[in-house]
Amino acid sequence: KAGVTQTPRYLIKTRGQQVTLSCSPISGHRSVSWYQQTPGQGLQFLFEYFSETQRNKGNFPGRFSGRQFSNSRSEMNVSTLELGDSALYLCASSLDGTGKNIQYFGAGTRLSVL
Amino acid sequence: DQQVKQNSPSLSVQEGRISILNCDYTNSMFDYFLWYKKYPAEGPTFLISISSIKDKNEDGRFTVFLNKSAKHLSLHIVPSQPGDSAVYFCAAPTRGAQKLVFGQGTRLTINP
Repeated sequence: KAGVTQTPRYLIKTRGQQVTLSCSPISGHRSVSWYQQTPGQGLQFLFEYFSETQRNKGNFPGRFSGRQFSNSRSEMNVSTLELGDSALYLCASSLDGTGKNIQYFGAGTRLSVL
Repeated sequence: DQQVKQNSPSLSVQEGRISILNCDYTNSMFDYFLWYKKYPAEGPTFLISISSIKDKNEDGRFTVFLNKSAKHLSLHIVPSQPGDSAVYFCAAPTRGAQKLVFGQGTRLTINP
């Protein structure tokens, strides 16, 4: 069974641009969550989608948004990029999104904002 | 507000010995805990979990202990192997949700 796939693996953008990251969950998984990892803040929850609906949201500005498609694939968008958005963005999928489901992570997208 | 804390940023252990990684939490509503391992340039990999109705869970070389009264959990790796060198995160989901709250991680180095 294929794992969680994130594309692209690396991205370089400049301030003010926008970016879209993609995540394909494990087949059969309906919940997709996004996390940001930075050296200073560690791993922080961005949002979670289940059945094309955002169910949970972390403490990030509105520039961070996402969506989920009917096949459970998810995209995350960051508009008006800032230097502080440079981070590793991780996507995780789980079976049905109840709290005790194990979340399986992709390899991440490393975003550098110049 | 750091609800899950790993106070040791790094730990160095001799190959073959026991590695003990510690984690403390402040939110008494947490009822499920997970440990993940992360290699550079890879996403976190699930290792082992424990429900709050248990105080111990074992899986091969990995054992997690939970002390609810102290709000403390620990991961024991016996025997430690060079491939165990990685960053280890403990995490807990908020009640009924998929939002995982992570500790800051502990970098484990196994020395030959």
